[in-house]
Amino acid sequence: ETGVTQSPTHLIKTRGQQVTLRCSSQSGHNTVSWYQQALGQGPQFIFQYYREEENGRGNFPPRFSGLQFPNYSSELNVNALELDDSALYLCASRTDRRLNYGYTFGSGTRLTVV
Amino acid sequence: SQQGEEDPQALSIQEGENATMNCSYKTSINNLQWYRQNSGRGLVHLILIRSNEREKHSGRLRVTLDTSKKSSSLLITASRAADTASYFCATDLSGYSTLTFGKGTMLLVSP
Repeated sequence: ETGVTQSPTHLIKTRGQQVTLRCSSQSGHNTVSWYQQALGQGPQFIFQYYREEENGRGNFPPRFSGLQFPNYSSELNVNALELDDSALYLCASRTDRRLNYGYTFGSGTRLTVV
Repeated sequence: SQQGEEDPQALSIQEGENATMNCSYKTSINNLQWYRQNSGRGLVHLILIRSNEREKHSGRLRVTLDTSKKSSSLLITASRAADTASYFCATDLSGYSTLTFGKGTMLLVSP
């Protein structure tokens, strides 16, 4: 159903540690966005990359950072993890050739910070 | 911050009945999208309606958009148990921008 793959699916980290989450988008999808979804809430926008450059950022601190690579993969890095960072992290991608079509989401990485 | 707000927060119906979910938003938009999420996993895109459209159909789904009231509704006809999921509306302000989601409606369809 989805052409976006996220890894790992589940992760447990300790407060203060650093984590890297990975996303592999569909070929040709040059726009990738990352979202954080807390339990019982809607997804919150973290940042977006277009052709390997950040072109939008939500209300998240600088310890949330990302990269997009030429092979349509991307990563989300979170430093100095806090308990409130526990959430489902979703990657979504689309092509700029079909702007009025929805994003394709991955299945997410569930991060637990203890 | 949440741009869209879905109503109701939860909806429980029997198979075969219709389910209607509403979404309100605050600012002008380029388009509004509806997504489904099963059991806290990834979101699946259902339908997109542009700001110059008033109604759109896709299979058993019907979406309406009233830009004067800044609201949208999603109707699922002849619901099935497999429709049990959370449904989110998301607004796209410019067609190039990111999505702003509401908190979602949890739909439970009982056999």
